[in-house]
Amino acid sequence: DSGVTQTPKHLITATGQRVTLRCSPRSGDLSVYWYQQSLDQGLQFLIQYYNGEERAKGNILERFSAQQFPDLHSELNLSSLELGDSALYFCASSYRGSGANVLTFGAGSRLTVL
Amino acid sequence: DQQVKQNSPSLSVQEGRISILNCDYTNSMFDYFLWYKKYPAEGPTFLISISSIKDKNEDGRFTVFLNKSAKHLSLHIVPSQPGDSAVYFCAAPRDYGGATNKLIFGTGTLLAVQP
Repeated sequence: DSGVTQTPKHLITATGQRVTLRCSPRSGDLSVYWYQQSLDQGLQFLIQYYNGEERAKGNILERFSAQQFPDLHSELNLSSLELGDSALYFCASSYRGSGANVLTFGAGSRLTVL
Repeated sequence: DQQVKQNSPSLSVQEGRISILNCDYTNSMFDYFLWYKKYPAEGPTFLISISSIKDKNEDGRFTVFLNKSAKHLSLHIVPSQPGDSAVYFCAAPRDYGGATNKLIFGTGTLLAVQP
C-alpha cells in the first residue's frame, strides 16, 4: 500500500458520459499529479496541483478538468467521453511541488468507455 | 516531443544474470533522474534515483549509471530474480529548478527474468 488511494479501481461507462476519479494523497503530501496511461503507451502527464493551486498542466484535453480540495484530495473529471479515453489513470503525490522529489503513485483507476 | 526515450520495449534475461535497462534523454537541462518499476494492475513504484552530480548510485542489487556527455543512463540489476519481472520506466523532472517537479516518463521496458 503506497498510501495514495484512488477510487474507483475500475469503471465502465458509455461514450458521451461523464465520470469523476478521486485521489487521496499520502498523508503529509501537498502535491497531487494525474497521469494517463493508454494501451502500449507511457505515462502521460495531465495536471499537477500543489496545496490547492494548479501548478502545471500537460496535454490535458479541454473535456477533462481537475481540482484539489482544502483537505488535499483531488478529483479528475472526464466528460463527453470517447472510446479513446479508455485508459489507466494514475494519481501520484509528493510533499514538494518543485525540485528533486519522488512521486508516490496510487494503484490507478481503469476506465473503459464502450 | 519524447524527451526521455527507452528504445528497448522488452528484455529477457536468465535468473542470476545481469539485467541492463537503458534510457536516453535529449534535454541537457535534466538534472535528476528516477527509475520506477511497475507490476501489472499496480501503480509505478519508485526504485532508485540519481542526481547529475553523480555518475553512479547503488542500492542493493540495483545500480544506476549516468553518462551526462552521452545523455544516457542505465539501470543494472544484479543478480536478476524472477520477482524483478516488471515494466521499468525512467523519468526526469521536466522543469527541474522551476515551479514544478512533474515527471516526464519514458515508454518503459518490459523485463522478463526467466527461472
